[in-house]
Amino acid sequence: QVQLVESGGGVVQPGGSLRLSCAASGFTFSSYGMHWVRQAPGKGLEWVAFIRYDGSNKYYADSVKGRFTISRDNSKNTLYLQMNSLRAEDTAVYYCAMGSSGPDYWGQGTLVTVSS
Amino acid sequence: ETTLTQSPAFMSATPGDKVNISCKASQDIDDDMNWYQQKPGEAAIFIIQEATTLVPGIPPRFSGSGYGTDFTLTINNIESEDAAYYFCLQHDNFPLTFGGGTKVEIK
Repeated sequence: QVQLVESGGGVVQPGGSLRLSCAASGFTFSSYGMHWVRQAPGKGLEWVAFIRYDGSNKYYADSVKGRFTISRDNSKNTLYLQMNSLRAEDTAVYYCAMGSSGPDYWGQGTLVTVSS
Repeated sequence: ETTLTQSPAFMSATPGDKVNISCKASQDIDDDMNWYQQKPGEAAIFIIQEATTLVPGIPPRFSGSGYGTDFTLTINNIESEDAAYYFCLQHDNFPLTFGGGTKVEIK
């Protein structure tokens, strides 16, 4: 059974940094692309980033390009999202999701709050 | 960027009803459309892939149709457990984009 568990969320000041992790199990992690998706309070879903199964290609939403970095460690079955220069508008629940085209299976999310 | 316009934003249904949710794309996305269900506090569940294919394990009362720019999620004989938020996603091109979502209430 696919299981995705996000961690690393919390409260951070504007301009600060945070690294999210997503521990994967129940499937061959190194064979699948992975996504980050977020949902701000009271708002719709926003795709954030995607990384191919081997890390060879990465794609970002314009809203996070240059500030966020997606990465993965296939030896640890873990996906990461390094978030720098955080802004109030980055406040959201962040979900990791498995899927080599669209996101198939999703975690339950971790809350990131950017506030002074 | 492909914009997805999802409608309605909210609907109320009675058990046994047939429910249709629409998702219109601003450009041709072939069949690169997925549908998801999400309940409060739970992970989103993948229910329809490639516009028309039911994900294994999902009840057959759920179905998807459409190609190109117009897509529909249909729930036949809706049940109380289907009360949830439903959303569409296109994965034809980056950035991936979502519809605005539909909240389905069961009376």
